[in-house]
Amino acid sequence: ETGVTQSPTHLIKTRGQQVTLRCSSQSGHNTVSWYQQALGQGPQFIFQYYREEENGRGNFPPRFSGLQFPNYSSELNVNALELDDSALYLCASRIMARDYNEQFFGPGTRLTVL
Amino acid sequence: AQTVTQSQPEMSVQEAETVTLSCTYDTSENNYYLFWYKQPPSRQMILVIRQEAYKQQNATENRFSVNFQKAAKSFSLKISDSQLGDTAMYFCAFRGTSGSRLTFGEGTQLTVNP
Repeated sequence: ETGVTQSPTHLIKTRGQQVTLRCSSQSGHNTVSWYQQALGQGPQFIFQYYREEENGRGNFPPRFSGLQFPNYSSELNVNALELDDSALYLCASRIMARDYNEQFFGPGTRLTVL
Repeated sequence: AQTVTQSQPEMSVQEAETVTLSCTYDTSENNYYLFWYKQPPSRQMILVIRQEAYKQQNATENRFSVNFQKAAKSFSLKISDSQLGDTAMYFCAFRGTSGSRLTFGEGTQLTVNP
Protein backbone atom coordinates (compact mmCIF):
# COMPACT_ATOMS: atom_id res chain seq x y z
CA GLU A 1 0.00 0.00 0.00
CA THR A 2 1.44 3.33 -1.12
CA GLY A 3 -1.36 5.57 0.14
CA VAL A 4 -2.10 6.66 -3.42
CA THR A 5 -5.47 5.60 -4.80
CA GLN A 6 -6.98 5.84 -8.27
CA SER A 7 -10.52 5.53 -9.59
CA PRO A 8 -12.05 3.88 -11.42
CA THR A 9 -10.09 0.64 -11.70
CA HIS A 10 -11.33 -0.09 -15.20
CA LEU A 11 -13.15 2.02 -17.75
CA ILE A 12 -14.50 1.40 -21.24
CA LYS A 13 -15.19 4.32 -23.56
CA THR A 14 -15.98 4.85 -27.22
CA ARG A 15 -13.80 6.72 -29.68
CA GLY A 16 -14.55 10.45 -29.59
CA GLN A 17 -15.80 10.46 -26.01
CA GLN A 18 -14.24 12.27 -23.07
CA VAL A 19 -12.94 10.66 -19.88
CA THR A 20 -11.89 11.81 -16.41
CA LEU A 21 -9.56 9.73 -14.27
CA ARG A 22 -9.01 10.50 -10.60
CA CYS A 23 -6.09 10.18 -8.22
CA SER A 24 -5.89 10.74 -4.48
CA SER A 25 -2.39 11.45 -3.22
CA GLN A 26 -0.85 11.02 0.19
CA SER A 27 -1.50 13.90 2.54
CA GLY A 28 1.16 16.58 2.16
CA HIS A 29 2.28 15.50 -1.32
CA ASN A 30 2.35 18.72 -3.33
CA THR A 31 3.36 17.14 -6.65
CA VAL A 32 1.48 14.66 -8.81
CA SER A 33 2.58 13.14 -12.10
CA TRP A 34 0.56 11.16 -14.62
CA TYR A 35 1.88 8.40 -16.86
CA GLN A 36 0.43 6.41 -19.75
CA GLN A 37 1.50 2.78 -19.98
CA ALA A 38 0.54 0.98 -23.19
CA LEU A 39 0.39 -2.80 -23.05
CA GLY A 40 3.84 -4.35 -22.89
CA GLN A 41 5.64 -1.00 -22.68
CA GLY A 42 7.16 1.24 -20.04
CA PRO A 43 5.18 4.18 -18.66
CA GLN A 44 5.37 7.45 -20.59
CA PHE A 45 5.29 10.77 -18.74
CA ILE A 46 2.20 12.85 -19.55
CA PHE A 47 2.56 15.82 -17.22
CA GLN A 48 3.26 16.96 -13.69
CA TYR A 49 1.33 19.30 -11.39
CA TYR A 50 2.94 21.21 -8.54
CA ARG A 51 0.82 23.31 -6.22
CA GLU A 52 -2.12 23.16 -8.65
CA GLU A 53 -0.15 24.38 -11.68
CA GLU A 54 1.12 22.30 -14.61
CA ASN A 55 4.87 22.14 -14.14
CA GLY A 56 6.19 19.95 -16.93
CA ARG A 57 4.71 18.07 -19.86
CA GLY A 58 5.70 15.13 -21.99
CA ASN A 59 4.99 14.59 -25.67
CA PHE A 60 1.20 14.47 -25.38
CA PRO A 61 -1.34 16.64 -27.25
CA PRO A 62 -3.44 19.33 -25.54
CA ARG A 63 -6.48 17.05 -25.42
CA PHE A 64 -4.73 15.55 -22.39
CA SER A 65 -5.28 17.97 -19.52
CA GLY A 66 -5.23 17.86 -15.77
CA LEU A 67 -6.23 19.47 -12.53
CA GLN A 68 -4.77 19.33 -9.04
CA PHE A 69 -6.83 20.31 -6.01
CA PRO A 70 -5.80 21.60 -2.56
CA ASN A 71 -7.07 18.40 -0.92
CA TYR A 72 -4.27 16.34 -2.62
CA SER A 73 -6.59 14.92 -5.26
CA SER A 74 -6.07 15.32 -8.98
CA GLU A 75 -7.69 14.53 -12.32
CA LEU A 76 -6.53 13.53 -15.76
CA ASN A 77 -8.94 14.50 -18.53
CA VAL A 78 -8.73 13.18 -22.06
CA ASN A 79 -10.93 14.62 -24.80
CA ALA A 80 -11.78 13.17 -28.19
CA LEU A 81 -10.62 9.69 -27.26
CA GLU A 82 -8.69 7.70 -29.85
CA LEU A 83 -8.13 3.96 -30.03
CA ASP A 84 -4.44 4.47 -29.17
CA ASP A 85 -5.44 6.03 -25.85
CA SER A 86 -6.21 2.52 -24.59
CA ALA A 87 -3.67 2.01 -21.81
CA LEU A 88 -3.03 1.83 -18.09
CA TYR A 89 -2.91 5.32 -16.58
CA LEU A 90 -0.77 5.73 -13.49
CA CYS A 91 -0.51 8.65 -11.13
CA ALA A 92 2.39 9.19 -8.77
CA SER A 93 2.81 11.69 -5.97
CA ARG A 94 5.67 13.05 -3.88
CA ILE A 95 6.76 16.05 -1.89
CA MET A 96 8.69 18.45 -4.11
CA ALA A 97 11.75 19.46 -2.14
CA ARG A 98 15.42 20.10 -2.69
CA ASP A 99 16.38 16.73 -1.34
CA TYR A 100 15.29 13.39 -2.65
CA ASN A 101 11.76 12.31 -1.82
CA GLU A 102 10.33 9.05 -3.01
CA GLN A 103 7.56 9.04 -5.59
CA PHE A 104 4.61 6.77 -4.75
CA PHE A 105 2.48 5.22 -7.48
CA GLY A 106 -1.20 4.40 -7.48
CA PRO A 107 -2.54 1.07 -8.80
CA GLY A 108 -3.64 2.60 -12.09
CA THR A 109 -6.80 2.90 -14.17
CA ARG A 110 -7.15 0.58 -17.16
CA LEU A 111 -8.81 2.53 -20.00
CA THR A 112 -10.16 0.72 -23.05
CA VAL A 113 -11.29 2.75 -26.04
CA LEU A 114 -13.53 0.93 -28.53
CA ALA B 1 16.41 14.16 -23.81
CA GLN B 2 17.14 11.16 -21.68
CA THR B 3 16.69 7.62 -22.93
CA VAL B 4 16.66 4.34 -21.01
CA THR B 5 17.24 1.00 -22.70
CA GLN B 6 16.55 -2.48 -21.36
CA SER B 7 17.76 -5.02 -23.87
CA GLN B 8 16.31 -8.13 -22.21
CA PRO B 9 12.54 -8.37 -22.81
CA GLU B 10 12.29 -11.63 -20.84
CA MET B 11 14.41 -13.53 -18.36
CA SER B 12 13.89 -16.56 -16.19
CA VAL B 13 15.72 -17.92 -13.17
CA GLN B 14 15.39 -20.86 -10.82
CA GLU B 15 14.29 -20.22 -7.28
CA ALA B 16 17.22 -19.43 -4.94
CA GLU B 17 19.56 -18.55 -7.82
CA THR B 18 20.95 -15.16 -8.80
CA VAL B 19 19.89 -13.13 -11.82
CA THR B 20 21.11 -9.83 -13.28
CA LEU B 21 18.93 -7.43 -15.28
CA SER B 22 20.65 -4.93 -17.58
CA CYS B 23 19.94 -1.26 -18.18
CA THR B 24 21.75 1.46 -20.08
CA TYR B 25 20.82 5.10 -20.28
CA ASP B 26 21.83 8.27 -22.03
CA THR B 27 21.93 11.74 -20.51
CA SER B 28 23.99 14.90 -20.60
CA GLU B 29 23.29 15.63 -16.94
CA ASN B 30 25.92 15.05 -14.28
CA ASN B 31 23.61 14.64 -11.30
CA TYR B 32 20.56 12.42 -11.48
CA TYR B 33 18.79 9.45 -9.92
CA LEU B 34 18.38 5.94 -11.24
CA PHE B 35 15.74 3.49 -10.11
CA TRP B 36 14.56 -0.05 -10.50
CA TYR B 37 10.82 -0.51 -10.18
CA LYS B 38 8.90 -3.78 -9.94
CA GLN B 39 5.42 -4.13 -11.44
CA PRO B 40 3.68 -7.40 -10.56
CA PRO B 41 0.42 -8.48 -12.22
CA SER B 42 -1.43 -6.33 -9.67
CA ARG B 43 -0.02 -3.36 -11.70
CA GLN B 44 1.24 -1.53 -8.58
CA MET B 45 4.58 0.05 -9.38
CA ILE B 46 6.90 -0.63 -6.45
CA LEU B 47 10.30 0.95 -5.90
CA VAL B 48 12.97 -1.74 -5.53
CA ILE B 49 16.14 0.31 -5.26
CA ARG B 50 17.55 3.71 -6.15
CA GLN B 51 21.00 5.12 -6.87
CA GLU B 52 22.14 8.72 -6.70
CA ALA B 53 24.61 9.45 -9.50
CA TYR B 54 26.94 11.42 -7.23
CA LYS B 55 27.43 8.40 -4.96
CA GLN B 56 30.16 6.02 -6.06
CA GLN B 57 29.04 3.25 -3.75
CA ASN B 58 26.56 0.84 -5.29
CA ALA B 59 23.16 0.74 -3.58
CA THR B 60 22.01 -2.40 -1.78
CA GLU B 61 18.62 -3.33 -0.38
CA ASN B 62 18.57 -6.81 1.17
CA ARG B 63 18.65 -9.29 -1.77
CA PHE B 64 18.77 -6.50 -4.35
CA SER B 65 21.91 -4.68 -5.39
CA VAL B 66 23.00 -2.60 -8.35
CA ASN B 67 26.15 -2.24 -10.41
CA PHE B 68 26.30 1.43 -11.32
CA GLN B 69 28.91 2.36 -13.93
CA LYS B 70 28.54 6.10 -14.48
CA ALA B 71 31.11 6.45 -17.25
CA ALA B 72 29.56 3.58 -19.18
CA LYS B 73 26.02 4.79 -18.33
CA SER B 74 25.12 1.34 -17.16
CA PHE B 75 22.86 0.41 -14.24
CA SER B 76 22.22 -3.31 -13.72
CA LEU B 77 20.13 -4.96 -11.02
CA LYS B 78 21.24 -8.15 -9.29
CA ILE B 79 18.69 -10.24 -7.45
CA SER B 80 20.18 -12.83 -5.12
CA ASP B 81 18.36 -15.85 -3.69
CA SER B 82 15.46 -15.34 -6.13
CA GLN B 83 12.00 -15.98 -4.73
CA LEU B 84 8.73 -16.84 -6.46
CA GLY B 85 7.38 -13.45 -5.37
CA ASP B 86 10.07 -11.75 -7.43
CA THR B 87 8.18 -12.71 -10.59
CA ALA B 88 7.19 -9.39 -12.15
CA MET B 89 8.01 -6.84 -14.82
CA TYR B 90 11.07 -4.80 -13.86
CA PHE B 91 11.58 -1.28 -15.12
CA CYS B 92 14.74 0.78 -15.04
CA ALA B 93 14.04 4.51 -14.73
CA PHE B 94 15.91 7.82 -14.82
CA ARG B 95 15.09 11.07 -13.08
CA GLY B 96 16.89 14.38 -13.17
CA THR B 97 17.44 16.43 -10.05
CA SER B 98 14.58 18.84 -10.76
CA GLY B 99 10.97 17.82 -11.12
CA SER B 100 9.44 14.39 -10.82
CA ARG B 101 9.58 13.20 -14.41
CA LEU B 102 10.67 9.59 -14.69
CA THR B 103 11.92 8.17 -17.98
CA PHE B 104 11.35 4.43 -18.07
CA GLY B 105 12.86 1.64 -20.10
CA GLU B 106 10.72 -0.92 -21.93
CA GLY B 107 10.90 -3.40 -19.08
CA THR B 108 12.17 -6.93 -18.46
CA GLN B 109 9.69 -9.66 -17.58
CA LEU B 110 11.34 -11.82 -14.92
CA THR B 111 9.95 -15.25 -14.14
CA VAL B 112 11.20 -17.18 -11.13
CA ASN B 113 10.64 -20.91 -11.56
CA PRO B 114 10.20 -23.33 -8.65
